[in-house]
Amino acid sequence: GAGVSQSPRYKVAKRGQDVALRCDPISGHVSLFWYQQALGQGPEFLTYFQNEAQLDKSGLPSDRFFAERPEGSVSTLKIQRTQQEDSAVYLCASTLPSGTPPREQYFGPGTRLTVT
Amino acid sequence: AQTVTQSQPEMSVQEAETVTLSCTYDTSESDYYLFWYKQPPSRQMILVIRQEAYKQQNATENRFSVNFQKAAKSFSLKISDSQLGDAAMYFCAYLRGSTLGRLYFGRGTQLTVWP
Repeated sequence: GAGVSQSPRYKVAKRGQDVALRCDPISGHVSLFWYQQALGQGPEFLTYFQNEAQLDKSGLPSDRFFAERPEGSVSTLKIQRTQQEDSAVYLCASTLPSGTPPREQYFGPGTRLTVT
Repeated sequence: AQTVTQSQPEMSVQEAETVTLSCTYDTSESDYYLFWYKQPPSRQMILVIRQEAYKQQNATENRFSVNFQKAAKSFSLKISDSQLGDAAMYFCAYLRGSTLGRLYFGRGTQLTVWP
């Protein structure tokens, strides 16, 4: 595709439900990032993949958050037993492998999650 | 830990005028990169400009330029000849030179452009 796509664009979940957010990176992009953007805040790093390997998950706020990228392309961010504080926009970004200077991260439009 | 501070939650500018958005950061590292990203209401984040810390020359991209003051840890964005399409949320971001690409963002500055 022409850019990073994310689905769904909007998701409303009742507290306690599980949700799955999908990211389709730009074809050929090896690296993939997930960020969480709360209302009125800048994006906060969640996790990072290089191909199918999750190299950094230090930003995941709790063990209810889980991300995978089994075939090194599409990634899914799963949130179990959603809580109100999980309400945010979840952004996905992809880039080519590290270089000097570092490659630009291309962002998707985000998924706005509202937990009621 | 790296922190990025944008002290101006909102700014406004008249069309065709110039505006400067401020950003400061805190780091103990010498190798890093700085970015300005634009996020229009559609929410797709777009890279505006980048600056390598080892370069003394300020980066410029058409109407966008930066004032990089390494000693002061300051990285401001100047938009010249502002256009209505420049209206957006602007984020300053930091990248450690030795890491795999995790960005640290400020809280953003909402820019309004008046006709």
